[in-house]
Amino acid sequence: EPEVTQTPSHQVTQMGQEVILRCVPISNHLYFYWYRQILGQKVEFLVSFYNNEISEKSEIFDDQFSVERPDGSNFTLKIRSTKLEDSAMYFCASSRTGGAYSNQPQHFGDGTRLSIL
Amino acid sequence: AQTVTQSQPEMSVQEAETVTLSCTYDTSENNYYLFWYKQPPSRQMILVIRQEAYKQQNATENRFSVNFQKAAKSFSLKISDSQLGDTAMYFCAFMGNTGNQFYFGTGTSLTVIP
Repeated sequence: EPEVTQTPSHQVTQMGQEVILRCVPISNHLYFYWYRQILGQKVEFLVSFYNNEISEKSEIFDDQFSVERPDGSNFTLKIRSTKLEDSAMYFCASSRTGGAYSNQPQHFGDGTRLSIL
Repeated sequence: AQTVTQSQPEMSVQEAETVTLSCTYDTSENNYYLFWYKQPPSRQMILVIRQEAYKQQNATENRFSVNFQKAAKSFSLKISDSQLGDTAMYFCAFMGNTGNQFYFGTGTSLTVIP
C-alpha cells in the first residue's frame, strides 16, 4: 500500500539555525498537510497546501515557517531561525481530495522528530 | 472553534477482551467527519475508522466499531477481541466542512495485557 514517507526520522539542530523537513506524499494525492505534536501534547494543524499554494494555515504557522513543493514528488517544511519551542514531532499528511465536502482521510507519514539544542 | 476531548489518558485491557475509548467534540457545524487514528510505538499515524455525520449507521471495520451519538456529540471507539498489536496511542479527530484541517484530541494510550 502506498505510504507517505518523511525524512529524516530525527533531526537535531542548533537554536537559530534553519531546518528543512522533507516529505514524499502518496503519488496520486493532491492535498498536503503539516502537523506538529509537542511531546505529551495533542497533534496540531500547521498548514494545508493545494495547487502549489497554501489553502489554510493555523496561528502557529507564522513567518518563521514556509512550505514548498519544489518538484513533482517532494513537499517540504522550512523552519527559519529555530527556537527551543520548535522541538516536536512533525507529521506530513496527504489526501486524494480535500477542502469542503471531502470525506477522504489524510494519510500520515511516520513523522520527523525535531530536537532544537 | 472545534474542540475534541478525550477524557481517558490511559487505558488497559486484557487480550481478547473488549475496550471502549471515549471521545466528545464540540462544533456548530451540521455536517462533518470523525476519525480514529492509531499511533503505535513506531509513530506512524494509521487510520482506524471514519464516520460521516450525516450517516446514522455506526461505522464498523472488522474488530473496530464506533458508537456515534450526534446529539450528544460523542464518538466512542470499541475494540473487540483486543490483540497485543492494538497497543498504541489512539487519537480522535474531527474534520468540518469548512476546511482541510483535522482537530485532534489529546489521545488515549491503550495497553493490551497478555
